[in-house]
Amino acid sequence: NAGVTQTPKFQVLKTGQSMTLQCAQDMNHEYMSWYRQDPGMGLRLIHYSVGAGITDQGEVPNGYNVSRSTTEDFPLRLLSAAPSQTSVYFCASSSLGLAGGNYNEQFFGPGTRLTVL
Amino acid sequence: DQQVKQNSPSLSVQEGRISILNCDYTNSMFDYFLWYKKYPAEGPTFLISISSIKDKNEDGRFTVFLNKSAKHLSLHIVPSQPGDSAVYFCAAIGDSSYKLIFGSGTRLLVRP
Repeated sequence: NAGVTQTPKFQVLKTGQSMTLQCAQDMNHEYMSWYRQDPGMGLRLIHYSVGAGITDQGEVPNGYNVSRSTTEDFPLRLLSAAPSQTSVYFCASSSLGLAGGNYNEQFFGPGTRLTVL
Repeated sequence: DQQVKQNSPSLSVQEGRISILNCDYTNSMFDYFLWYKKYPAEGPTFLISISSIKDKNEDGRFTVFLNKSAKHLSLHIVPSQPGDSAVYFCAAIGDSSYKLIFGSGTRLLVRP
């Protein structure tokens, strides 16, 4: 199993450019999520999905779009990049229990370091 | 307003001694807590968790303690090893939510 994979590893954008960060998992996990990590802020949830066709907002969703057309893939789109989006982005996935909520450990990808000039 | 706080940005301990990492939370609806460990240039990896119905959970050298009345949890590493040097994140979830809330992390350095 490759686990959770993310591409690219590094990216530099100019303000206003758009791009898509790719995330894929091969563990058949229902739940997938995107976080950003900033110094002194820990990891903050951007968007998450509990299955194909279902997405919802996290703590810091503004400026980002997501879609979930398959169980395996969960891309994160920046429509018009801003310097405030300079960060390290992590994708994660987990299985879901029968009860509501997501109390299972999440498996993280290696991250994408994004710089917006 | 941070719901999960790790007030110590860094901690340095001698190899073989105990490392104690602390975490405080404000949301009384949290009922499950997790610790993740992160090495540079890698994603976080799950370390240990605890449910609010327990006050202690052990896994080898790692023990997590939960004090619900104080809204405080701590991670004990005994004995500490140089390979434990990493950033440790506390995280919490509750109320059947799908949103895991992380603290800001504590960087642990274990000196040989």
